[in-house]
Amino acid sequence: KAGVTQTPRYLIKTRGQQVTLSCSPISGHRSVSWYQQTPGQGLQFLFEYFSETQRNKGNFPGRFSGRQFSNSRSEMNVSTLELGDSALYLCASSLDVGKNTGELFFGEGSRLTVL
Amino acid sequence: AQRVTQPEKLLSVFKGAPVELKCNYSYSGSPELFWYVQYSRQRLQLLLRHISRESIKGFTADLNKGETSFHLKKPFAQEEDSAMYYCASGAGSYQLTFGKGTKLSVIP
Repeated sequence: KAGVTQTPRYLIKTRGQQVTLSCSPISGHRSVSWYQQTPGQGLQFLFEYFSETQRNKGNFPGRFSGRQFSNSRSEMNVSTLELGDSALYLCASSLDVGKNTGELFFGEGSRLTVL
Repeated sequence: AQRVTQPEKLLSVFKGAPVELKCNYSYSGSPELFWYVQYSRQRLQLLLRHISRESIKGFTADLNKGETSFHLKKPFAQEEDSAMYYCASGAGSYQLTFGKGTKLSVIP
């Protein structure tokens, strides 16, 4: 089985621009979560989607948004980029079986640098 | 809000020595607790979860509700255990709260 795939792997943007990151979950996984990883704050939950619906959202400003498509693929968007948005953005998928097993399968991440 | 604390950023032990990676959590309900690991140049992956009460790669972790701890232990460290370890808690959803991680370095 192919793992979680994230694209692009690396990107550089300037302040004020926007960015879209993509995530393809493991086949059969319907839950997709996004995390931001920075040296200072560590791993922080952004949001989680299941069946095209956002089920949970972390404590991030509205500039951070996401969506999930019918094939479970997900995208996240960050608008009006700030220097502090520079981070590794990790996507994780999970096989939702009604009870949280907590086993998230992570992608390699998209490393965003904002100049 | 949930909070997970890993007090050690870096832990160095000699090969064959016991290992204990500390994790404390704050959650008033019944948390679900996990240890994730990231080996060099690999993805973050689940090591073990408290509900399974299993031993993976010789590691175990016991949930102590009185001390709100979920320390990860291994009696004899191996060089291949060198990695970044993250403790995480969940509360019935896929929203996990991660600690900031402990880098374990096993000295040959």
